[in-house]
Amino acid sequence: EVQLVESGGGLVQPGGSLRLSCAASGFTFSSYSMNWVRQAPGKGLEWVSYISSSSSIIYYADSVKGRFTISRDNAKNSLYLQMNSLRVEDTAVYHCARVVPAVTATDYWGQGTLVTVSS
Amino acid sequence: DIQMTQSPSSLSASVGDRVTITCRASQSVTSYLNWFHQKPGKAPKLLIYAASSLQSGVPSRFTGSGSGTDFTLTISSLQPEDFATYYCQQSYSTPWTFGQGTKVEIK
Repeated sequence: EVQLVESGGGLVQPGGSLRLSCAASGFTFSSYSMNWVRQAPGKGLEWVSYISSSSSIIYYADSVKGRFTISRDNAKNSLYLQMNSLRVEDTAVYHCARVVPAVTATDYWGQGTLVTVSS
Repeated sequence: DIQMTQSPSSLSASVGDRVTITCRASQSVTSYLNWFHQKPGKAPKLLIYAASSLQSGVPSRFTGSGSGTDFTLTISSLQPEDFATYYCQQSYSTPWTFGQGTKVEIK
């Protein structure tokens, strides 16, 4: 069974940093690209970042470019999101999601971890 | 960025009704269009990918159609478990963008 479990969320002050993790199991993690997608409270879905299976291709949304860094450790079946210079508007539930090759759809999602940026 | 616009933003329907949700892209996304639904407090679930392909395990009452800029999700006979918020998403080019969502409520 495919499982994605996020961790690392919490309350942080504006300007602070957090590192999110996503533990993957039930599939060959090293064969799949991954996404981070977030959802602010009561709002819609926003794609944040993409990383290819070998980490050779990385994309970011403009809203996080220069502040967030996506990475992965295929030996540990883990995906990460380092978030620096956090803003109030980064408050959201952050989901990791597996990307289906060729069609680039996200077929499995984790339940998410809540990041709250507030003073 | 490609803007995705869904309509309606919300709808009320009864069990057994046929429901149609539309999604329009601000430029062509060919067939790189996906549909999800999401229940409160839960992760989104992929229903349709590549505009018209049914994700494994999703009931056949869900169908997707369209290409280019105009797409449709149809639920042929609404079931109690289908009451949720539906999102379209283009995966043609980054940033991958979502529609604003369509909330399907019980009449």
